[in-house]
Amino acid sequence: DSGVTQTPKHLITATGQRVTLRCSPRSGDLSVYWYQQSLDQGLQFLIQYYNGEERAKGNILERFSAQQFPDLHSELNLSSLELGDSALYFCASSLGLSGDTQYFGPGTRLTVL
Amino acid sequence: DAKTTQPTSMDCAEGRAANLPCNHSTISGNEYVYWYRQIHSQGPQYIIHGLKNNETNEMASLIITEDRKSSTLILPHATLRDTAVYYCIVRVPIQGAQKLVFGQGTRLTINP
Repeated sequence: DSGVTQTPKHLITATGQRVTLRCSPRSGDLSVYWYQQSLDQGLQFLIQYYNGEERAKGNILERFSAQQFPDLHSELNLSSLELGDSALYFCASSLGLSGDTQYFGPGTRLTVL
Repeated sequence: DAKTTQPTSMDCAEGRAANLPCNHSTISGNEYVYWYRQIHSQGPQYIIHGLKNNETNEMASLIITEDRKSSTLILPHATLRDTAVYYCIVRVPIQGAQKLVFGQGTRLTINP
């Protein structure tokens, strides 16, 4: 158990819909990262937040957005969903801004029908 | 980030040492080598990391060559639960930005 929690574990929705994935980092960690793992793309970095502020962006679509709240939990919002958005979404956390080990949560499996 | 090259798949007998190689010939002086593994579709699990010295923890040992162009992850006594995809990642800790770039990894199968 890494100490990172994610909800929900599974999510099934339809194309065009909007969903919110939630992540709680390990106690004391200030950085949160989101990654997407699809069958054809592997594990890809989406975005990083540190203490409430966005700090790094990867291959995140404009239809996707994220935020980190004062209690340090983070939410990833996915809108106008397409079939290709079906994937595993992982959250990771680390102590600081850079140079620290990232610990991953169990993931949310999103299925778009 | 430096690119890494790993074998696509490996097999190892239960109870034996599993040695997973990784080439990172373009690694720079301040880049760390990290190893993660992913069991089925679970979240990636941190195993170990190092800069230039060999490292050991309760899970594994990491051997980095003197020129730092390659490394080997050693699972000393592999069990069936070690069957997973193992990722070797070279990461640069830079202020304000940090991401892990995962390759395809090595699918390690531990056989009874």
